[in-house]
Amino acid sequence: KNQVEQSPQSLIILEGKNCTLQCNYTVSPFSNLRWYKQDTGRGPVSLTIMTFSENTKSNGRYTATLDADTKQSSLHITASQLSDSASYICVVIDRGSTLGRLYFGRGTQLTVWP
Amino acid sequence: EADIYQTPRYLVIGTGKKITLECSQTMGHDKMYWYQQDPGMELHLIHYSYGVNSTEKGDLSSESTVSRIRTEHFPLTLESARPSHTSQYLCASSPFEGPYEQYFGPGTRLTVT
Repeated sequence: KNQVEQSPQSLIILEGKNCTLQCNYTVSPFSNLRWYKQDTGRGPVSLTIMTFSENTKSNGRYTATLDADTKQSSLHITASQLSDSASYICVVIDRGSTLGRLYFGRGTQLTVWP
Repeated sequence: EADIYQTPRYLVIGTGKKITLECSQTMGHDKMYWYQQDPGMELHLIHYSYGVNSTEKGDLSSESTVSRIRTEHFPLTLESARPSHTSQYLCASSPFEGPYEQYFGPGTRLTVT
């Protein structure tokens, strides 16, 4: 069964600190993996997209890693800001369908305290 | 910022009422989607469309219906709302070609009393 598991479920850090969010998946065949940021009451916004051949990709203070062999990804946030408080969702795309089937994790709820 | 819009943003309505959630996008995308999301849970696909006059049911069974008469418009209708329909509904769109990037609207928070 295709699944996406994220950890931790929630995380509280102080402003300025770094943190790492984890994503494990069993989706096959794999097309690409995305990390989305979802603010409360808003729709998800894409942060990064990683294909099978990419190991690391950065977007400002966000750095995503992918190990396609172990089917694990991480999202590292450096120098956190209050505006980083949101749910971070790992999404894996299935290469096997023309629809581009998305499998969503439940997200990690990040809270940044001043 | 993606040009995809949803109205209303919040809706509180009584049981048995008919409701229509609006979704429109100005990017000319062929594919559009409706997702349902409960607090702390993953998004579940309830409807999708490949283009005009194309509609399909998603993975999560839903009593709602959709229509796609125009490329830019993908409304979702509930004929008779029930408390079990209380949820957040997210609309998304993507171009037919490409790495399946989906752009999400801001969502509609529906509460049925």
